Amino acid sequence: QSALTQPRSVSGSPGQSVTISCTGTSSDVGGYNYVSWYQQHPGKVPKLIIFDVTKRPSGVPDRFSGSKSDNTASLTISGLQAEDEADYYCCSFAVTSTFVFGTGTEVTVL
Amino acid sequence: EVQVVESGGGLVQPGRSLRLSCSTSGFTIGDYLINWVRQAPGKGLEWLGFIRTKTYGGTTECAASVKGRFSISRDDSKGIAYLQMNNLKTEDTAVYYCTRHRHAYNWFDYWGPGTLVTVSS
Repeated sequence: QSALTQPRSVSGSPGQSVTISCTGTSSDVGGYNYVSWYQQHPGKVPKLIIFDVTKRPSGVPDRFSGSKSDNTASLTISGLQAEDEADYYCCSFAVTSTFVFGTGTEVTVL
Repeated sequence: EVQVVESGGGLVQPGRSLRLSCSTSGFTIGDYLINWVRQAPGKGLEWLGFIRTKTYGGTTECAASVKGRFSISRDDSKGIAYLQMNNLKTEDTAVYYCTRHRHAYNWFDYWGPGTLVTVSS
């Protein structure tokens, strides 16, 4: 199972919106509504911010939103804030009853 | 409070074996699949595998990259899951995380702080 493809980095100014794509195949992203997203600050543990493509766990700000179209999932951060600067990883359940993570995206707040 | 804590990491020579432990508390481990995820220095997250609950046979799934070398087991009576790593290679150097999910709830909500494994001669 190959890693899902994410852009290496995205950036935006405070208050702007940024979108991170996560491209897989029909065997993972396209085949299931089981895409999750994780935020990881440097030296910290990954934190779940989106599950089941669009759902947010309790406590996660609503400026984080998820979507999916065909084999590509997306994470949008609206109203970018300084504390959103971190690495972001998508993850999908796959047809082989396994999971696969994305390559990771570094978000920089200018 | 849900807690997940990995242990057993350290420096190991190539070709040797190491067993990591994932100690849990604050929830019924028997209701959850336990996963192992690793992150090499400066790299991304890599899912390694999981072990199902006893209800679902306690069977395992592993990533192709470690199949045959790594195996996962669990002792629900102790609240612990294990990652047995054999024939370690330098490229296995990473922080190893333990995390959980429930059947049909395919996301990882709690993660341990990780344990560092360094494979070097």
